[in-house]
Amino acid sequence: AQKVTQAQTEISVVEKEDVTLDCVYETRDTTYYLFWYKQPPSGELVFLIRRNSFDEQNEISGRYSWNFQKSTSSFNFTITASQVVDSAVYFCALSEEAGSARQLTFGSGTQLTVLP
Amino acid sequence: NAGVTQTPKFRILKIGQSMTLQCTQDMNHNYMYWYRQDPGMGLKLIYYSVGAGITDKGEVPNGYNVSRSTTEDFPLRLELAAPSQTSVYFCASLITQFKEAFFGQGTRLTVV
Repeated sequence: AQKVTQAQTEISVVEKEDVTLDCVYETRDTTYYLFWYKQPPSGELVFLIRRNSFDEQNEISGRYSWNFQKSTSSFNFTITASQVVDSAVYFCALSEEAGSARQLTFGSGTQLTVLP
Repeated sequence: NAGVTQTPKFRILKIGQSMTLQCTQDMNHNYMYWYRQDPGMGLKLIYYSVGAGITDKGEVPNGYNVSRSTTEDFPLRLELAAPSQTSVYFCASLITQFKEAFFGQGTRLTVV
């Protein structure tokens, strides 16, 4: 069974600080995809990034970067020079390839608060 | 682009009442999902469908039913509403499980 753990329930930082959101996953499949979504206070869910299990290259998009390590089953998300607008709940998610396990499983989310 | 449309956006139900949450997508996506998000919590999968005529239970299916008669529509039915079903419900669709999910705006349901 697939599982996603986001151990950090809430994180609070001051603007311009860097912050890393942790995501640890469990899967028996060798082919799977990992995702990060953002849920701002307005409530909608916004897709941020997708990564497949065969691509361990880190990715950077502006102030956002992602570190995928299969050896530790982790897919961590770092925001550099955080801004107040980054305040949101961030969800990590996992989707497997195998047969009936076609579920998209979310972690419990990390509430990030960026203080001015 | 309409994307994923959920109706209604808000609803208050009395205990024991029934209702259907509507979800429609216009992207010809095969995969559709219903999630619930309790206050301060993550998303829990209720039901999902990988194509018309095919549905399957997720993590928390009790008290709900779904159908998928067309590719576009994936309604969620609550038969006997209970206070424990007070939540925000999200519908999502994907072209495959390896692509990003498109979410509706959510339905905030309160059962009193």
